[in-house]
Amino acid sequence: DAGVIQSPRHEVTEMGQEVTLRCKPISGHNSLFWYRQTMMRGLELLIYFNNNVPIDDSGMPEDRFSAKMPNASFSTLKIQPSEPRDSAVYFCASSLALGQGPISPLHFGNGTRLTVT
Amino acid sequence: EDKVVQSPLSLVVHEGDTVTLNCSYEVTNFRSLLWYKQEKKAPTFLFMLTSSGIEKKSGRLSSILDKKELFSILNITATQTGDSAIYLCAFSGGTSYGKLTFGQGTILTVHP
Repeated sequence: DAGVIQSPRHEVTEMGQEVTLRCKPISGHNSLFWYRQTMMRGLELLIYFNNNVPIDDSGMPEDRFSAKMPNASFSTLKIQPSEPRDSAVYFCASSLALGQGPISPLHFGNGTRLTVT
Repeated sequence: EDKVVQSPLSLVVHEGDTVTLNCSYEVTNFRSLLWYKQEKKAPTFLFMLTSSGIEKKSGRLSSILDKKELFSILNITATQTGDSAIYLCAFSGGTSYGKLTFGQGTILTVHP
């Protein structure tokens, strides 16, 4: 199994530009999570999906952030417009959930390191 | 509000030492507690604990959960430089589809 695949690995952009992060979850997993990690705040959950449906987006910082999951094998996290304070490592993770409980632990992708100048 | 607190925040030891990392939590509708190791990239799964008093063991690492006192510990015996990493504790609670809430992590540094 290839694991959770994220792209790009690194992204450097200027303030005000649109940024799109991509994620391919592990085949067969039905829950997908977007986390952000910074030194100050640690790992924060932004949004998660179950069976391609957004369940909880209360962690999304503001309207500049949006996420989609058009099918079971692909998700995007978009920031528009980007700001320097968005600089962080963004992780995508997936797991298998039965009903509302987990069957497997979360498996993380290698993350996208975003730098907004 | 649900939360996870880890201690210590950082720890420096020498090879061969034994370390104990702590994780306390407050959560409604607790389901499971998980430990992850994070080196330079993604957190990697170590243990998932759901029952009190049952030790999980993998090589030199072991972990146990106390659901009455609401804490877990992660032990590493005979530490090696390769154990240097951030150790993250997280819980899964209620109707969450496997969502994890993480503690701030313990940074472990093992010197030769």
